[in-house]
Amino acid sequence: SQQGEEDPQALSIQEGENATMNCSYKTSINNLQWYRQNSGRGLVHLILIRSNEREKHSGRLRVTLDTSKKSSSLLITASRAADTASYFCATVTGGYQKVTFGTGTKLQVIP
Amino acid sequence: DVKVTQSSRYLVKRTGEKVFLECVQDMDHENMFWYRQDPGLGLRLIYFSYDVKMKEKGDIPEGYSVSREKKERFSLILESASTNQTSMYLCASSLQIHIAGNTIYFGEGSWLTVV
Repeated sequence: SQQGEEDPQALSIQEGENATMNCSYKTSINNLQWYRQNSGRGLVHLILIRSNEREKHSGRLRVTLDTSKKSSSLLITASRAADTASYFCATVTGGYQKVTFGTGTKLQVIP
Repeated sequence: DVKVTQSSRYLVKRTGEKVFLECVQDMDHENMFWYRQDPGLGLRLIYFSYDVKMKEKGDIPEGYSVSREKKERFSLILESASTNQTSMYLCASSLQIHIAGNTIYFGEGSWLTVV
């Protein structure tokens, strides 16, 4: 089964609104990362949060991590049509840095 | 910039054929990964390699094998392709830093159709 599970599976919002995606995982992690995928393309790294961090910002992105609940959230503020994509969380575990992805959230931002 | 190159973007193969998917990275990364991506299932790890000639099974290794003879190249092999292996295959690489964490770099994907 997947290490990470995103919620919701799909999200549709108006341009300018905020988008929040959640990720839950099952085992202890080294770090957690969020990726973006445009339709039919490879994934692109957005942000990494280490297991000893609780919150991180990068531009319009804000990531939180709660290791006690084994969950993370990605907030995109002031969304734009160009943010339309699928977003995946990835957990990194073990000494060899095994990377496991969740099922993704498909975000649609309507202009 | 790191580049991960997958040799074939689109392939159509017949059932029973042996299929090779090639991946090359140019940043001297220790770790390399193969995933398949299917609608509603996200990315599932097939195999990963943390060093030359080393490999570890991921979550769905059945029907696949891998080869890592050189650090920069990681090949995924479908010994006898079946229609349920029709999918998008993604190769990725990363540095093996145990403490700080590192970014995973992806190729553009290979769309495989088995008929």
